Amino acid sequence: DAKTTQPPSMDCAEGRAANLPCNHSTISGNEYVYWYRQIHSQGPQYIIHGLKNNETNEMASLIITEDRKSSTLILPHATLRDTAVYYCIVRRLYGQNFVFGPGTRLSVLP
Amino acid sequence: EAGVAQSPRYKIIEKRQSVAFWCNPISGHATLYWYQQILGQGPKLLIQFQNNGVVDDSQLPKDRFSAERLKGVDSTLKIQPAKLEDSAVYLCASSSLRVARSLYEQYFGPGTRLTVT
Repeated sequence: DAKTTQPPSMDCAEGRAANLPCNHSTISGNEYVYWYRQIHSQGPQYIIHGLKNNETNEMASLIITEDRKSSTLILPHATLRDTAVYYCIVRRLYGQNFVFGPGTRLSVLP
Repeated sequence: EAGVAQSPRYKIIEKRQSVAFWCNPISGHATLYWYQQILGQGPKLLIQFQNNGVVDDSQLPKDRFSAERLKGVDSTLKIQPAKLEDSAVYLCASSSLRVARSLYEQYFGPGTRLTVT
């Protein structure tokens, strides 16, 4: 079973920041938080991952709470092309497989 | 860099027939995964290969599903005989052990959509 809980769906206005929450209250000290997204009819696409520090790349920012029990993926300026299902996954860096839950369906509205 | 290739993209078969899917991972990627994604759900891992050896096949229905990666590169996933509940998208993914920033990231192919009637 997935170790994370996410809202099933969210809406966001185009151009605004999209903040996608994820709860992972049973995360272990050596488990990372990964985010993937899946645009309709395509395979999942890696977005970002982190352990305990906040992370930023060209796609998104990842904010992890100090107790590591929850995190937020931030898409700073959402576009229509960001409409997708977003998956939050916790996983050890080495050797453990990815377990996908149902994710959050983000709809970016014009 | 070429991505993960899969074929066919779509397949429609009748129940009790056989079907095979093919995957070519990113060059140099030692690890290869097959996932099953039923409509409305996240992908579920069926089998993981490290080079040509099986690392995890605990969720592979071995009475009807089989997979191989003979030379540690391409892989095939077979279903024989198919059932209605096998209708899903079958995703192949690969990962590298040698790229620091993307260590253990998985790169996914476009998938094969199987419909069993």
